[in-house]
Amino acid sequence: AAGVIQSPRHLIKEKRETATLKCYPIPRHDTVYWYQQGPGQDPQFLISFYEKMQSDKGSIPDRFSAQQFSDYHSELNMSSLELGDSALYFCASSLGGSGGASDTQYFGPGTRLTVL
Amino acid sequence: LAKTTQPISMDSYEGQEVNITCSHNNIATNDYITWYQQFPSQGPRFIIQGYKTKVTNEVASLFIPADRKSSTLSLPRVSLSDTAVYYCLVGPLRNSGNTPLVFGKGTRLSVIA
Repeated sequence: AAGVIQSPRHLIKEKRETATLKCYPIPRHDTVYWYQQGPGQDPQFLISFYEKMQSDKGSIPDRFSAQQFSDYHSELNMSSLELGDSALYFCASSLGGSGGASDTQYFGPGTRLTVL
Repeated sequence: LAKTTQPISMDSYEGQEVNITCSHNNIATNDYITWYQQFPSQGPRFIIQGYKTKVTNEVASLFIPADRKSSTLSLPRVSLSDTAVYYCLVGPLRNSGNTPLVFGKGTRLSVIA
């Protein structure tokens, strides 16, 4: 079965540079979530989109922005990168609107961002 | 959101049944209990979800007492490949779906041969 695709899988950037992470949800899934997991930390919710509109906002820095496109893929744009942004960034997708107990999120393999 | 408390780590031998208990004393009436599993450098994976009593699937069982202030994830006959971090999440699920997950401190399970 098709899974969530994230690209790139690994990314190395210098401080103050920008980065763009991409997420392709499972076909027919219309909701995308972004999570950040620092070294030794638990995943933290950043932001989510449902039907191309932002649905929830978590602990996403102002330097980051994201959007969901007409084909439901999503991009996380990160600017003025800092050393503390080094982390695994996971994208998850679900079939929004199904609601209740059937709203299961499926995670991608993650993008490992290293800021030097 | 209800605060959850889990053991930081657990060790088990292969073939044993593992029970991980999660405390959530201030669980709300409309909160569900969901467990996710995460292997190193991989995204979390849904294991099981329940509201009350007992839920069982092909991977695990979830036991929830009547007061719902705790829950226990039961993994039957674990193998080395079950070594992972297990997260207990408690929160409401919207009728419209797209509910963000709030991860707390998970339990690091180590299965020993």
